[in-house]
Amino acid sequence: NAGVMQNPRHLVRRRGQEARLRCSPMKGHSHVYWYRQLPEEGLKFMVYLQKENIIDESGMPKERFSAEFPKEGPSILRIQQVVRGDSAAYFCASSPGTVRDEQYFGPGTRLTVT
Amino acid sequence: AQKVTQAQTEISVVEKEDVTLDCVYETRDTTYYLFWYKQPPSGELVFLIRRNSFDEQNEISGRYSWNFQKSTSSFNFTITASQVVDSAVYFCALVRVSWAGANNLFFGTGTRLTVIP
Repeated sequence: NAGVMQNPRHLVRRRGQEARLRCSPMKGHSHVYWYRQLPEEGLKFMVYLQKENIIDESGMPKERFSAEFPKEGPSILRIQQVVRGDSAAYFCASSPGTVRDEQYFGPGTRLTVT
Repeated sequence: AQKVTQAQTEISVVEKEDVTLDCVYETRDTTYYLFWYKQPPSGELVFLIRRNSFDEQNEISGRYSWNFQKSTSSFNFTITASQVVDSAVYFCALVRVSWAGANNLFFGTGTRLTVIP
């Protein structure tokens, strides 16, 4: 059973470009979470999605960031017009259900904005 | 509001020593879950343990043990007879249960453990 897949593992973008990060949850998992880890810091929750629905986006910056989890295909975290401060590791996690279930993390995507 | 505090930023121990990583949390919820994750130098996050707020029994798994004290809002993690492979950043986390039943994790800032051979 494959784990949570994230790609790309490393992404370099120039300021002003768009970054698209992909996450394929574990088989059978319908809950996806995105977290951001700034250098030397802990992970910060960004958004929680179920298939075709955003359930909680309280941790998402109001501008330039968006997320989706379509009926078919991976979840996408999209960052428009990236700035240097967006450089971070972005982790995706999935779980089969809700609060009682462990979240399984992907290996992360390390975004570098030059 | 939820908050997780890991006051120890970095700890160094010599191999085979025991080490305890502290975690103090704040929450207004009566039902919550606490987690520990390990992040080795390779960067991935490895689940170690989940504990619900109604279960204060201490747990032991091999060289790892956890002490959950609700009275002091602490969930400390002890590694016995540490090994070089234990070198990693360890995160304590708390689950917030939102109105939608979401379980987004609140993470502490992590403790970097270095085990010296």
